[in-house]
Amino acid sequence: EAGVAQSPRYKIIEKRQSVAFWCNPISGHATLYWYQQILGQGPKLLIQFQNNGVVDDSQLPKDRFSAERLKGVDSTLKIQPAKLEDSAVYLCASNGPRGRDTEAFFGQGTRLTVV
Amino acid sequence: GENVEQHPSTLSVQEGDSAVIKCTYSDSASNYFPWYKQELGKGPQLIIDIRSNVGEKKDQRIAVTLNKTAKHFSLHITETQPEDSAVYFCAASITVLGKLIFGQGTELSVKP
Repeated sequence: EAGVAQSPRYKIIEKRQSVAFWCNPISGHATLYWYQQILGQGPKLLIQFQNNGVVDDSQLPKDRFSAERLKGVDSTLKIQPAKLEDSAVYLCASNGPRGRDTEAFFGQGTRLTVV
Repeated sequence: GENVEQHPSTLSVQEGDSAVIKCTYSDSASNYFPWYKQELGKGPQLIIDIRSNVGEKKDQRIAVTLNKTAKHFSLHITETQPEDSAVYFCAASITVLGKLIFGQGTELSVKP
């Protein structure tokens, strides 16, 4: 079974530029998450989707971050404009085939450096 | 707000020794407690989880205990091996399909 795919693996941008990350969850997983992991800390949820609807975006800095999940499959997370403090690893995770509770599977993440 | 405290932040053991990592959570509605292992440059990988209707769960060298009254849960690794070296995260959630609140992580180093 293929895992959660993320791209790119690494990205370096200057502050005030924009950047986008892409995630393809495990096939059949209805729930998709984006987490932000700052160096030396545990991941923190940014946004959770159930199919193509938003379940929780309470910790998403909506003035600069946006996310969408078209057709309830792939998802993109965008930052515009980026700040130095956005430097982190952005992790995508998925779980929940319909009718089953399963643990969350994480992708390898995208490491963002804002200079 | 929701919070998970994890201790210790670093742990160094000799190969073959046991390692214990402890977590405390604040949200009494939490019912699902997974543990993730994260190796350098990789995403977190689930190693074991426990639900609130169970007090203890074991899988080979790994065990997790849960005390819902005290809001504590712990990870126990026995007969540690160098390949156990990684950062371990505890987490808490209301449901398996809910957001995970992670602890700060424990960097485990197993010396041969």
